Amino acid sequence: GDSVTQMEGPVTLSEEAFLTINCTYTATGYPSLFWYVQYPGEGLQLLLKATKADDKGSNKGFEATYRKETTSFHLEKGSVQVSDSAVYFCALSVPNSGYSTLTFGKGTMLLVSP
Amino acid sequence: SQTIHQWPATLVQPVGSPLSLECTVEGTSNPNLYWYRQAAGRGLQLLFYSVGIGQISSEVPQNLSASRPQDRQFILSSKKLLLSDSGFYLCAWAQRGGVDEQFFGPGTRLTVL
Repeated sequence: GDSVTQMEGPVTLSEEAFLTINCTYTATGYPSLFWYVQYPGEGLQLLLKATKADDKGSNKGFEATYRKETTSFHLEKGSVQVSDSAVYFCALSVPNSGYSTLTFGKGTMLLVSP
Repeated sequence: SQTIHQWPATLVQPVGSPLSLECTVEGTSNPNLYWYRQAAGRGLQLLFYSVGIGQISSEVPQNLSASRPQDRQFILSSKKLLLSDSGFYLCAWAQRGGVDEQFFGPGTRLTVL
């Protein structure tokens, strides 16, 4: 079945450090890939997405490139801020007729200190 | 623009009591609707999804049920709560036939004592 594997956290960084959160996937078919972010006590917000190989999704300084050859979708940011502290979820979706379901990784907590 | 509401925001219930969580979506029609549970320190587990009024698909067997009485209303219920039902419940919607990203509500924190 479909699955998503993320690096385990927490990831602890100082402000302005470079961030990478690894994500690899296994899927039948041709998935769309997503990164969601969850701030404490809140729901999930879509951070970025990519729908085909070599697409780069980007938002708020974060970016991720859909790599079909390595089945990866690693999240990067050049300079993190304290406000980026949150849990980040990688997810994939393989559409069926009329609906799709998301398969999530277990999430990676990011802690950024001043 | 579309918005999704969940209530209540928090709930503390005794074991064996009933449960009703509500989710409504505004600003769209014929959405696909989803219920997820997030247990402490774990990822998201899809519980139910619905592609239309009265159409419910269950992903995991459990003592929870879901209903969709109206196009933009999705309800999660239980007749008798268990301790293991504690968690953070998230409702989500997606556009039918869209790019398949889902949009999440603010969640309900349920504690069963």
